[in-house]
Amino acid sequence: KAGVTQTPRYLIKTRGQQVTLSCSPISGHRSVSWYQQTPGQGLQFLFEYFSETQRNKGNFPGRFSGRQFSNSRSEMNVSTLELGDSALYLCASSFEGKYEQYFGPGTRLTVT
Amino acid sequence: AQRVTQPEKLLSVFKGAPVELKCNYSYSGSPELFWYVQYSRQRLQLLLRHISRESIKGFTADLNKGETSFHLKKPFAQEEDSAMYYCALSGAGSYQLTFGKGTKLSVIP
Repeated sequence: KAGVTQTPRYLIKTRGQQVTLSCSPISGHRSVSWYQQTPGQGLQFLFEYFSETQRNKGNFPGRFSGRQFSNSRSEMNVSTLELGDSALYLCASSFEGKYEQYFGPGTRLTVT
Repeated sequence: AQRVTQPEKLLSVFKGAPVELKCNYSYSGSPELFWYVQYSRQRLQLLLRHISRESIKGFTADLNKGETSFHLKKPFAQEEDSAMYYCALSGAGSYQLTFGKGTKLSVIP
């Protein structure tokens, strides 16, 4: 099976802009979670989607949003970018009922 | 609030020596506990899940509910064990993982 893929792998944006990141889960996986990884805060949960519905949301401002499509692919959007949004954004997918999460390679976002 | 604490940022051991990576958690209820590992230039991947009680790559982890700990152990470290190790928990029925800050294990040849 192909693993979780994320696009783009690297992104450079300017403060105030918005960005959309994409995640394609492993075939058959309907749960998709997003995490932010920074040197200071480590890995932090952003949100989780299942069957196009957000099931859980982490403690992030409303500038962070996401969605999931009928084919389980997911996107996350960050509006009005701030310098502190520079991070590695990881996507993970799971098969329903199985708690192992399979992670993608991440998208490295740099905000200047 | 749920929390995972890994007290060591870096742990260096000699090849063949025993390894113990510490993990303590805070959670009201019965959590699911995991160890994830990230080898150099590879993705984060699951190493162990407490409920499976398996030994993976020689590693084991025992859940101690009294001490709220889930330490990862291996009797004889190998060079290929050098990696970043993350302890994580989720609530029962939840896919939301709370991670510790991670411990970098360096095995000295």
